[in-house]
Amino acid sequence: NAGVTQTPKFQVLKTGQSMTLQCAQDMNHNSMYWYRQDPGMGLRLIYYSASEGTTDKGEVPNGYNVSRLNKREFSLRLESAAPSQTSVYFCASSELIEQFFGPGTRLTVL
Amino acid sequence: AQSVTQLDSQVPVFEEAPVELRCNYSSSVSVYLFWYVQYPNQGLQLLLKYLSGSTLVKGINGFEAEFNKSQTSFHLRKPSVHISDTAEYFCAGLNQAGTALIFGKGTTLSVSS
Repeated sequence: NAGVTQTPKFQVLKTGQSMTLQCAQDMNHNSMYWYRQDPGMGLRLIYYSASEGTTDKGEVPNGYNVSRLNKREFSLRLESAAPSQTSVYFCASSELIEQFFGPGTRLTVL
Repeated sequence: AQSVTQLDSQVPVFEEAPVELRCNYSSSVSVYLFWYVQYPNQGLQLLLKYLSGSTLVKGINGFEAEFNKSQTSFHLRKPSVHISDTAEYFCAGLNQAGTALIFGKGTTLSVSS
């Protein structure tokens, strides 16, 4: 079991570029999440998906879009990256209450 | 507002000393509470969780936490820390809707010899 996997591990973008962060889980969980982690801010929820076919905004959704492609995969898209989106992005999945986290994607926007 | 507050942003301790990392949650957060640890450049690993039952919860690596409903606290403790415990620790609670975790801002534990 790989658990929750994320690609890429690192990415550098220029302002205005777009990219998609990929996340997949092999635990057959229904719920999946995207968080961002910034120094001194903890983790903040961007979007979540309670089940295949549904997505909902979290605390900081502006500038992001998500797609729940199937039960396994949940992608996060930045249409026009901004320096304020420089962060570490974590994907997580859960079945009941406990969430399992991926290793993170470190994104820098210049 | 739903919030989780970690009262110390940094906690420096010497090896083999006891440590307590403090966490308070707002009354609007559910009582499903968690402590996660993040080692440098890694993801989050679950240390322990409180879902119900005994208020003293034991986790991995010798950590334990006590759920105190009257004080809305969930402090993390370890009687004797090691250098390898140096990491960032996050307290989190499930929101009332049960849809996502609310995280504290983190406490950096630095253990020195």
